Amino acid sequence: GQQVMQIPQYQHVQEGEDFTTYCNSSTTLSNIQWYKQRPGGHPVFLIQLVKSGEVKKQKRLTFQFGEAKKNSSLHITATQTTDVGTYFCAGPPGETSGSRLTFGEGTQLTVNP
Amino acid sequence: NAGVTQTPKFRILKIGQSMTLQCTQDMNHNYMYWYRQDPGMGLKLIYYSVGAGITDKGEVPNGYNVSRSTTEDFPLRLELAAPSQTSVYFCASSYSPGGGGYTFGSGTRLTVV
Repeated sequence: GQQVMQIPQYQHVQEGEDFTTYCNSSTTLSNIQWYKQRPGGHPVFLIQLVKSGEVKKQKRLTFQFGEAKKNSSLHITATQTTDVGTYFCAGPPGETSGSRLTFGEGTQLTVNP
Repeated sequence: NAGVTQTPKFRILKIGQSMTLQCTQDMNHNYMYWYRQDPGMGLKLIYYSVGAGITDKGEVPNGYNVSRSTTEDFPLRLELAAPSQTSVYFCASSYSPGGGGYTFGSGTRLTVV
């Protein structure tokens, strides 16, 4: 079955440093989605990328979907303590969004003030 | 617009007891899901539903049952609770199985002692 891997599993940074998490799927994805879960909270949908090579930005967050639609990255510039949490990627296998999402295991980010 | 509402937020069960975790959504989503999340881990799919009257097993269905009599409600039943079922349970819903993002409830934190 489809597998979605995320690296690193944990990342600890000083406030102001940049942070990147990578997501790799064993199969082609019709789209890639990113979620954020604050400590003690629930996953919250951040963004969806659909096109090969697509790049989207949300303030200090930059999301990229790979050319082969099998990998993605999330980059945070100048981290803040509000960025603390676990970031999950997820995607449905295949050409359409007709399949359920497979979630990665997440990257847990901690930020030292 | 409440989104996905889960009750209760916290519960302690004794081994062998049963309980129902409630989940309701007001977004008219056909697709609904139950996940469990163990401490520091990712999301594991327990059961899902593609519409009223239709449910199917996910990765970890043993020890659980679901029903979907209406579009809005998707309760999860735990029979004969075991310590291994200590976890945080999230209900989610979506318009499409693989696109547009999942909306998660705030979760039920269950401890079995």
